Amino acid sequence: DAGVTQSPTHLIKTRGQQVTLRCSPKSGHDTVSWYQQALGQGPQFIFQYYEEEERQRGNFPDRFSGHQFPNYSSELNVNALLLGDSALYLCASSLVQAGAEAFFGQGTRLTVV
Amino acid sequence: AQSVSQHNHHVILSEAASLELGCNYSYGGTVNLFWYVQYPGQHLQLLLKYFSGDPLVKGIKGFEAEFIKSKFSFNLRKPSVQWSDTAEYFCAVSNQAGTALIFGKGTTLSVSS
Repeated sequence: DAGVTQSPTHLIKTRGQQVTLRCSPKSGHDTVSWYQQALGQGPQFIFQYYEEEERQRGNFPDRFSGHQFPNYSSELNVNALLLGDSALYLCASSLVQAGAEAFFGQGTRLTVV
Repeated sequence: AQSVSQHNHHVILSEAASLELGCNYSYGGTVNLFWYVQYPGQHLQLLLKYFSGDPLVKGIKGFEAEFIKSKFSFNLRKPSVQWSDTAEYFCAVSNQAGTALIFGKGTTLSVSS
């Protein structure tokens, strides 16, 4: 049973560019959440998708957007990249029930130069 | 707004020493509490969680945590650490309505053999 898979594992982009990160949830999970983890910090919640709709959103600008597909996989898009967007982006999948265990992927390391 | 505070940034112990990592949260309502661990080169994984009932919860690998509602605390403990416990430890909270996690900044545990 595959866990949460993310692609790519590493990415280097130039300031002002756009980036798309991808996530396949653990089999049987219907909810995908995205987190940003800066160096030396804990993960920060970006948003959560369920039934192809954004269900919850953290304190991130509109440059961060997402999508969930009918097969529950998800994409995170970041427009107009800033140097400060450099971080590890984590995807977590779970069932929609409150308090359900979240399973995390290995993350995508994004470097903006 | 919810927040999580982890008191120790870096803890260094010898094998067989006892461990206690502090975690305090700020939230006015009912919460779910979690400890996640990230071993070197691996993804975040759940150590233990508290939803309700017995405030002393036991997790994997001999870890336990105690929820003290009056102190808004959820400290992690282990009676005797091993070299293999070297990792980053994150305390997290979610409200009962959702599954989005609010993480602390993490504590790095280094265990020497």
